[in-house]
Amino acid sequence: DGGITQSPKYLFRKEGQNVTLSCEQNLNHDAMYWYRQDPGQGLRLIYYSQIVNDFQKGDIAEGYSVSREKKESFPLTVTSAQKNPTAFYLCASSITSMGQGPYEQYFGPGTRLTVT
Amino acid sequence: GNSVTQMEGPVTLSEEAFLTINCTYTATGYPSLFWYVQYPGEGLQLLLKATKADDKGSNKGFEATYRKETTSFHLEKGSVQVSDSAVYFCALSGVSISSFGAGTTVTVRA
Repeated sequence: DGGITQSPKYLFRKEGQNVTLSCEQNLNHDAMYWYRQDPGQGLRLIYYSQIVNDFQKGDIAEGYSVSREKKESFPLTVTSAQKNPTAFYLCASSITSMGQGPYEQYFGPGTRLTVT
Repeated sequence: GNSVTQMEGPVTLSEEAFLTINCTYTATGYPSLFWYVQYPGEGLQLLLKATKADDKGSNKGFEATYRKETTSFHLEKGSVQVSDSAVYFCALSGVSISSFGAGTTVTVRA
């Protein structure tokens, strides 16, 4: 079964610690994305990657870092510099990221991060 | 740049009522349009899509028509069920990175 996995479902960390959220896809998609969702809010784009070894900042990249060493993996690190890291984090992928579509995104189940 | 504006919620309905969620967009070129649904505690799932003007996307009783003249893609369902309670997102993809609306929370009461 093809899809996107995110682990863990729930993550708890102390303030000041970096934490890495996992995202893996077996859809053979070139593009991958990380979004943040706060209660009652829409999606905010953190980072996206159109191809291996390349990624671009989204709207709220400060305090986050990513890597794209393999096509199927796009881990997100929430650093201690992120002022308010508690949120629901969603990873997604698509065949590609732009051009003549349609390029629907496939989403993982999300990771709920709580920092205290 | 591209953007999507959708009706603010929350929307509360009784079972079997008619649902409509408005969505308008701004885009260069000819984007593809989507509706996604998010159930509590889960990721988003594609509900339906349309790739060109006058296309109608449909799934699970939901419909939306790509209206180029009004730059709209309104979501409709004739008779909602309690199980339709979710957050609905309008989105587009085109010559630049995908854009999502802010989401509309729909609650259906029995």
